[in-house]
Amino acid sequence: GAVVSQHPSWVICKSGTSVKIECRSLDFQATTMFWYRQFPKQSLMLMATSNEGSKATYEQGVEKDKFLINHASLTLSTLTVTSAHPEDSSFYICSAIQGAAYSQPQHFGDGTRLSIL
Amino acid sequence: AQSVAQPEDQVNVAEGNPLTVKCTYSVSGNPYLFWYVQYPNRGLQFLLKYITGDNLVKGSYGFEAEFNKSQTSFHLKKPSALVSDSALYFCAVRDRGSTLGRLYFGRGTQLTVWP
Repeated sequence: GAVVSQHPSWVICKSGTSVKIECRSLDFQATTMFWYRQFPKQSLMLMATSNEGSKATYEQGVEKDKFLINHASLTLSTLTVTSAHPEDSSFYICSAIQGAAYSQPQHFGDGTRLSIL
Repeated sequence: AQSVAQPEDQVNVAEGNPLTVKCTYSVSGNPYLFWYVQYPNRGLQFLLKYITGDNLVKGSYGFEAEFNKSQTSFHLKKPSALVSDSALYFCAVRDRGSTLGRLYFGRGTQLTVWP
């Protein structure tokens, strides 16, 4: 149980294009989802917290107009990297908490490797 | 302020030997504590958690961790390491008083188990 599916797993695109990444909780409802960015051999950097039906809460230094987050349902959150540039290349990972049970672990997707040429 | 320290970037151990991956934390309130494992080009997999009760918690794949409140530590252990345990391990903490649910991660420890 508690499976999170992230799609696509790998994206290569040209500079200037926009890329959408989907994060789905397959067998549970996720009131809260999280988006992380991870650089090689480093820890996860929280970008934003996404709550169903409301605006995402972005961490300091993360451009909300650059990284658009939508959490329209209890099972789906999307991250859109707008007008992507090579410096946006990274490994993006989403996670979800089942309901509002913060004593429960976050369940992670398998990540999306984004490469901007 | 919440923070997690994993003092070792790398831990090397021979297969069959016990392993320990260290973690200390700092939170303003009482913590929920978690260990995750990450294999290359994958997301994080949940191993175990401490919420309350017994200080020794058992998790997936034979791993266990001991919560020590006085030392603010939550070290990950396994009695007999396997080559397949080689991966990146993250300790994480959440303040149980927080309504945001966010986790604070350590920088990760690369575990290598050699045959």
